[in-house]
Amino acid sequence: KAGVTQTPRYLIKTRGQQVTLSCSPISGHRSVSWYQQTPGQGLQFLFEYFSETQRNKGNFPGRFSGRQFSNSRSEMNVSTLELGDSALYLCASSQRRGATDTQYFGPGTRLTVL
Amino acid sequence: QKEVEQNSGPLSVPEGAIASLNCTYSDRGSQSFFWYRQYSGKSPELIMSIYSNGDKEDGRFTAQLNKASQYVSLLIRDSQPSDSATYLCAVTGGYNKLIFGAGTRLAVHP
Repeated sequence: KAGVTQTPRYLIKTRGQQVTLSCSPISGHRSVSWYQQTPGQGLQFLFEYFSETQRNKGNFPGRFSGRQFSNSRSEMNVSTLELGDSALYLCASSQRRGATDTQYFGPGTRLTVL
Repeated sequence: QKEVEQNSGPLSVPEGAIASLNCTYSDRGSQSFFWYRQYSGKSPELIMSIYSNGDKEDGRFTAQLNKASQYVSLLIRDSQPSDSATYLCAVTGGYNKLIFGAGTRLAVHP
């Protein structure tokens, strides 16, 4: 079974621009979670979607948003990019509806903001 | 106080030894606990999950959970140089929300 895929793998943007990242979960998985990883803050939860509904959200500004499509694919968007948004953005998928399901990570998108 | 705490390391062990990685968490209501391994430049890879007090073994890996002490550990037996990585402890904090520790860097030297 194919794993979680993320596109693009690398991205360079300038301050003030916006960016959209894409995530395709493992086949049959309906939950997608997004995380930001930086050297200073580590891995931090952004939000989670299940059946096109956002069920959980982390402590990030409104510039960070996401959505999920009916085929479980998910996108996240960051508007008005700041230098501090440079990070590895990871998505993870899980299979069941419950709150404690195992999450499997994709390879990540490395975003650099200049 | 951070929600999930780990020693940052590096933890250096000789090849063939047992590596012991520790993690404490603050939310007594947490139900699920995970250990992920992350090689430099790569994404986290699941090693173990544990939900009940006690030990859970999978090959060379043993996870231990003590909810009363709010403590999770990972033992790696017969450590190999390929085990050198950062090990992340994660605790659930709501719908598929994982709260991660900062990670412990493990270095296994021949």
